[in-house]
Amino acid sequence: QVQLQESGPGRVKPSQTLSLTCTVSGGSITGGRYYWSWIRQPAGKGLEWIGRIYTSGSTNYSPSFKSRVTISLDASKNQFSLNLRSVTGADTAVYYCARDAGYTSYSDSWGQGTLVTVSS
Amino acid sequence: DILMTQSPSSLSASVGDRVTISCRAPEHISNYLNWYQHRPGKAPRLLIYGESSLQSGVPSRFSGSGSGTDFNLTVSSLQPEDFATYYCQQTYSTPTFGQGTRLEIK
Repeated sequence: QVQLQESGPGRVKPSQTLSLTCTVSGGSITGGRYYWSWIRQPAGKGLEWIGRIYTSGSTNYSPSFKSRVTISLDASKNQFSLNLRSVTGADTAVYYCARDAGYTSYSDSWGQGTLVTVSS
Repeated sequence: DILMTQSPSSLSASVGDRVTISCRAPEHISNYLNWYQHRPGKAPRLLIYGESSLQSGVPSRFSGSGSGTDFNLTVSSLQPEDFATYYCQQTYSTPTFGQGTRLEIK
């Protein structure tokens, strides 16, 4: 059974870049027809879809984040990463990574989530 | 973006009740509709995918239905562990979530 684990700094300063990594275990990140996604939940708010990367390396981003987000994949480390530039306090949130499967692309496996606080 | 609208935004119910949560899309999204359960401090959990398919391991008291623009998640008999927040998600185009429905104990 595949497992995902987010890692990265718990605090980032305003205007800097938020960088998180999701390590996948129990299966190859390129072994199958999956998307690998990032989702976040600001405190007291709902889930926000950020973007995803396919096993081929192609990406889709939410228009809300498109101008400042990059998602990449490192097959040699079985990881994928999120870079969110020019952060503000509004980017303080719990960030989740997930695997998307099936033709309707549902997130069937999730990491436990990691809290990132944007503060000086 | 396809803006998904859930109703109600919150709901109070008792153990054993039957409850239905609705989700509406502004355009036809076929069956590209998923439902998730989210408990505080936990990762979201996939309940229903493709409008009505039950994810493996999810109790059969959960069911999904829909018609292309209007979708429902029904819990036939609420259990204590079902009190959580529920989200719909469309994946017909760039994925988006509904705003969530908080299910509370009456």
